[in-house]
Amino acid sequence: ETGVTQSPTHLIKTRGQQVTLRCSSQSGHNTVSWYQQALGQGPQFIFQYYREEENGRGNFPPRFSGLQFPNYSSELNVNALELDDSALYLCASSLDLKGTGELFFGEGSRLTVL
Amino acid sequence: AQSVTQLDSQVPVFEEAPVELRCNYSSSVSVYLFWYVQYPNQGLQLLLKYLSGSTLVKGINGFEAEFNKSQTSFHLRKPSVHISDTAEYFCAVKKTTDSWGKLQFGAGTQVVVTP
Repeated sequence: ETGVTQSPTHLIKTRGQQVTLRCSSQSGHNTVSWYQQALGQGPQFIFQYYREEENGRGNFPPRFSGLQFPNYSSELNVNALELDDSALYLCASSLDLKGTGELFFGEGSRLTVL
Repeated sequence: AQSVTQLDSQVPVFEEAPVELRCNYSSSVSVYLFWYVQYPNQGLQLLLKYLSGSTLVKGINGFEAEFNKSQTSFHLRKPSVHISDTAEYFCAVKKTTDSWGKLQFGAGTQVVVTP
């Protein structure tokens, strides 16, 4: 059973650029959530995807967008990067909307915006 | 609206000593409660959860937590810590009506275990 994998692990961008982060869910999981974890803070919920549709969104602007593919892998896209977007971005998968309540997290993608 | 407050940002503790990490929450609706651990350069891992039933919840690695509805607390305890318990610990809540992926986390408590 493979766990949640994220890529890239680290990346550096400049203000105004766009970034795409990728996530492969744990085998058999059809729901994926994305979180932003700024330095010294707890993760903050960005949005969740279930069966390729957004299913819940946190307090993030529209320049944060996502996709989920038929194989349940997912992407997080951030446009017009700002310095405050520098953070660890975590992907978490779970088994459907009525799961056991456990999220399985990847190790994250650390984004630095200069 | 709901909020999660972890009362200690850092907790130093000696090996084999007990540790308690405090978590208080506020919410106008029913919630489920979780504790996650994050080891250095790793993702988060579920330690334990309270969904219903007994208010004393046992988790992995010898951790347990007690849900106190009147005090809106969910403190995490371990009677004897190991060096390997050095990590960041996050308390989280989820409205019972929200999807499972939508957790609200506290700011975290860094536990440093020394010999």
